[in-house]
Amino acid sequence: GAVVSQHPSWVICKSGTSVKIECRSLDFQATTMFWYRQFPKQSLMLMATSNEGSKATYEQGVEKDKFLINHASLTLSTLTVTSAHPEDSSFYICSATAGANTQYFGPGTRLTVL
Amino acid sequence: AQTVTQSQPEMSVQEAETVTLSCTYDTSESDYYLFWYKQPPSRQMILVIRQEAYKQQNATENRFSVNFQKAAKSFSLKISDSQLGDAAMYFCAYRRWGDMRFGAGTRLTVKP
Repeated sequence: GAVVSQHPSWVICKSGTSVKIECRSLDFQATTMFWYRQFPKQSLMLMATSNEGSKATYEQGVEKDKFLINHASLTLSTLTVTSAHPEDSSFYICSATAGANTQYFGPGTRLTVL
Repeated sequence: AQTVTQSQPEMSVQEAETVTLSCTYDTSESDYYLFWYKQPPSRQMILVIRQEAYKQQNATENRFSVNFQKAAKSFSLKISDSQLGDAAMYFCAYRRWGDMRFGAGTRLTVKP
């Protein structure tokens, strides 16, 4: 089946620094990638949708200047959390679709901001 | 906007028994896709089963099957012969074009 990887799996950073999370589709070309945020014991909340070569579409309430998304190729999308603060601590999950309307999810990245 | 509702925050089943997880959704569209995803403690989202709305036949995947009632906008998941490894959070999801909308999830416990 389709495999999506995320790196890093966990990261701890100081408040005010920036953190980049990579999402890769390993065995297929992903026309669209999605970034979700999940708080403990809650569902996945969509942050943004990114298509290769174009600007990401952000959900209402998500700060596009804080959560920078780049989808440079059909196999790679990155999420950069800029000037991170403790309230940005969360579990970030990416997913990718190969056009069959099924999303394949990465294993997630746990971000802790001190 | 499409919404997905899972009214059972927690469910419990005895090993080898059958359990049904409920899901309803709201949409004005006629063509869409529905999914059940499983999220074990590792937090990796795993696709369990998917249903195309234009198909009347209910999808099945080994011990997992769905009861898709399009008119009622209901999409329940039945797990037969429950196993300890089935214990996880289960999310119902809707997708037409673009992003996927998730329900709040149901935590399934399997008792040995």
